[in-house]
Amino acid sequence: QVQLQESGPGLVKPSETLSLTCGVSGYSISSGYYWGWIRQPPGKGLEWIGSMFHSGSTYYNPSLKSRVTISVDTSKNQFSLKLNSVTAADTAVYYCARHWVSKNHFDYWGQGTLVTVSS
Amino acid sequence: QTVVTQEPSFSVSPGGTVTLTCGLTSGSVSTTYYPSWYQQTPGQAPRTLIYGTNSRSSGVPDRFSGSILGNKAALTITGAQADDESEYYCVLYLGGGVWVFGGGTKLTVL
Repeated sequence: QVQLQESGPGLVKPSETLSLTCGVSGYSISSGYYWGWIRQPPGKGLEWIGSMFHSGSTYYNPSLKSRVTISVDTSKNQFSLKLNSVTAADTAVYYCARHWVSKNHFDYWGQGTLVTVSS
Repeated sequence: QTVVTQEPSFSVSPGGTVTLTCGLTSGSVSTTYYPSWYQQTPGQAPRTLIYGTNSRSSGVPDRFSGSILGNKAALTITGAQADDESEYYCVLYLGGGVWVFGGGTKLTVL
């Protein structure tokens, strides 16, 4: 059974960089699939942030592309999100997910982690 | 900028049938947008229901079905149950490596 678990600071100061990691168990990242991040501001809908293949191919939401970096560490079977120059608008629950790009859907999800941007 | 549209809210009686839709502010949805559908209850991660317009994800009951109706993607729940009361999101692939979520539909079963 594929399982994903987000980890990282729950509080980030404005203008700083948000950094999260998603640990994957039950499946080797290097075996295939893209690995993605989705966020959900409190009381609002879901927003796709971006997805990455283990070889380095990436897709990013155009509205966030200038601030986002997704990377993969196959040795630790995990992938990471960095979002720089954060503001209060970046406060959200951040989910990691396996992104089955060829079938165009997200099939396994982490439980999500709340990140608050505040001084 | 293309926006993916969903009804903000819908209600259905227990045992009834409801169809939620997923459209575009500009243009029609077809199978080439590969619509997928997700169910989310408060405080929980989304659960994948449908992908590729009408393929059910593993373990999803067959009372959930997906289709294209007119110029929109559709999620139909047949024989609605109390625990179907959730938020439902669609995702469309817009091409060029861009996926967009709809704003979600809050479904009430009463």
